[in-house]
Amino acid sequence: QVQLQESGPGLVKPSETLSLTCIVSGSSIDSGYYWGWIRQRPGQGLEWIATYYRSGNAYYKSSLKSRVTVSVDLSKNQFSLQMNSLTAADTALYFCARGGSSSEYFPHWGQGILVTVSS
Amino acid sequence: SYELTQPPSVSVAPGQTARITCGGNNIGGESVHWYQQKPGQAPALVVHDDSDRPSGIPERFSGSNSGNTATLTINRVEAGDEADYYCQVWYPKGDHVLFGGGTKLTVL
Repeated sequence: QVQLQESGPGLVKPSETLSLTCIVSGSSIDSGYYWGWIRQRPGQGLEWIATYYRSGNAYYKSSLKSRVTVSVDLSKNQFSLQMNSLTAADTALYFCARGGSSSEYFPHWGQGILVTVSS
Repeated sequence: SYELTQPPSVSVAPGQTARITCGGNNIGGESVHWYQQKPGQAPALVVHDDSDRPSGIPERFSGSNSGNTATLTINRVEAGDEADYYCQVWYPKGDHVLFGGGTKLTVL
């Protein structure tokens, strides 16, 4: 059974860098699936941020690309999101998710972590 | 840029059929996926690749996709179907993963 669990700070100051980790069980990060980060601002819809796939490849939402990096730690079977230069507009519920091996939809999601950007 | 358009809300009486649309330029040429999100929960995939259901999803949920509109159909709607529904495509020519704005399904 695939399980994903986001971890990280719940409160970050403006202009600082957010670091979130997705701890994965029941599936190997190195198994060829797509691994994604999606966020949801309060009361708003889903917004895709980035995807990591297959041995170091990643792609990013164009409007966030300059501020976002995804990475993996194969030894810990987890993948991470870093987002810098935070503003209040980055306040959101952040989800990690696992996609398929050849199609990027997301059958498996973490429960989400609420990140508030405030001084 | 490619955009997916959903109606903000759809209302239906219990036992009736709900149809939630997702519009996009020639979306019929893309694979469309649908998620259900209930309050306080993560999204759950209900239809993928236009019309396939993951295991555990009732047959009442079905999808279609043609031309400029994809549709999620929920037959014999139940109170428990009340949720937000999102369409999603993989669009590598643009931002890769796109979500529609979401539709709130209200069961009257």
